[in-house]
Amino acid sequence: DIQMTQSPSSLSASVGDRVTITCRASQGISNYLAWFQQKPGKAPKSLIYAASSLQSGVPSKFSGSGSGTDFTLTISSLQPEDFATYYCQQYNSYPWTFGQGTKVEIK
Amino acid sequence: QVQLVQSGSELKKPGASVKVSCRASRYIFTSYPMTWVRQAPGQGLEWMGWINTNTGNPTYAQGFTGRFVFSLDTSVSTAYLQISSLKAEDTAVYYCARLKSYYSFAYYYYMDVWGTGTTVTVSS
Repeated sequence: DIQMTQSPSSLSASVGDRVTITCRASQGISNYLAWFQQKPGKAPKSLIYAASSLQSGVPSKFSGSGSGTDFTLTISSLQPEDFATYYCQQYNSYPWTFGQGTKVEIK
Repeated sequence: QVQLVQSGSELKKPGASVKVSCRASRYIFTSYPMTWVRQAPGQGLEWMGWINTNTGNPTYAQGFTGRFVFSLDTSVSTAYLQISSLKAEDTAVYYCARLKSYYSFAYYYYMDVWGTGTTVTVSS
């Protein structure tokens, strides 16, 4: 199975900060990577697929990059509604696997 | 917009069965496969498998074979997850999610719309 490792596991940031979350795959997955946002008690929301393509309706402050084994999710200017847990997920091969999550908290 | 509405919370005793539903609306149900994801209390997301809504053919992740069954009722645009012989460790929130596809040397599938989630609690 492909292991997905996110860093950091949690971070504290202020409104307006630029935030970057990293996701590393244990083997190459080309660009078959998605990102999700989950708020407490809510279903995940899809943000990005194919490493850098925004899902419909997702604001452009979210961006993704990377290929192979190293990927990043960037939030350009953190807003109060962005405080949540973010997950990466590979769909290059079965079983599809998620990272352990990165919790973004208010500083 | 596209919606996936799941059935309500369930409280079951060990050894019982549960059937979770995921009703789709505002799109052609059989045009998009459906996947299922588990989230144990305080834990991350775990992929369970997916079902081809056109053929009904399921694919299960390791660890979700035997007691877990994906099924469909296309007449009401609904996907189901049935879990039998429930154990305490099945306690979790179960999500369905629609899959979209694109071609890049092969067909690849990614999740776009998620269901509302169903909490299944297994306790004596």
